[in-house]
Amino acid sequence: DAKTTQPPSMDCAEGRAANLPCNHSTISGNEYVYWYRQIHSQGPQYIIHGLKNNETNEMASLIITEDRKSSTLILPHATLRDTAVYYCIVTLAGTASKLTFGTGTRLQVTL
Amino acid sequence: NAGVTQTPKFQVLKTGQSMTLQCAQDMNHEYMSWYRQDPGMGLRLIHYSVGAGITDQGEVPNGYNVSRSTTEDFPLRLLSAAPSQTSVYFCASSQRFFLTYRTDTQYFGPGTRLTVL
Repeated sequence: DAKTTQPPSMDCAEGRAANLPCNHSTISGNEYVYWYRQIHSQGPQYIIHGLKNNETNEMASLIITEDRKSSTLILPHATLRDTAVYYCIVTLAGTASKLTFGTGTRLQVTL
Repeated sequence: NAGVTQTPKFQVLKTGQSMTLQCAQDMNHEYMSWYRQDPGMGLRLIHYSVGAGITDQGEVPNGYNVSRSTTEDFPLRLLSAAPSQTSVYFCASSQRFFLTYRTDTQYFGPGTRLTVL
């Protein structure tokens, strides 16, 4: 699986958009980008995933660059409850059940 | 649905003791797995199962045994606990092992916090 690089921490004001970057320069053509988050030592929670097109769901948007070497998770209106560690994971669809978690980005949403 | 449940929530063991961490899901998922998370680290895969009667090793299987006699349950056994096994353990499940685009994801349990003295 391709390795990912994320900043260790980020801050965001409540109500503003949180943009979390992820670099995956060695991604291969059949690997997907998955995002999970972990709130205060709870079990990880799935957010969104994509292959090459931008994706949006009720939680977030995922923007993948055209060369697929990086992506950005966007939380459009961050709230205090979005404070968590966010993991960007690149994996083959066939191994999306065997995830390799890095250390992620700790997002702190403040008033 | 209760989703993925884990028991106990907390456990303290002495070195050399054995115990079983329980995991159950009520979503009729084929695939189940166990991860451990050490302080400040990401999750690492211990063992996984693609269906009843089928298990395989993950990244860090040593010191752990699993079995899958039913679709619902996937217990993790520590044969002889060591301080290095102090960690938070998460169980996860998904509908199938091969997750097709847009159709499925993993669901994680709340975790078991284990301390080995």
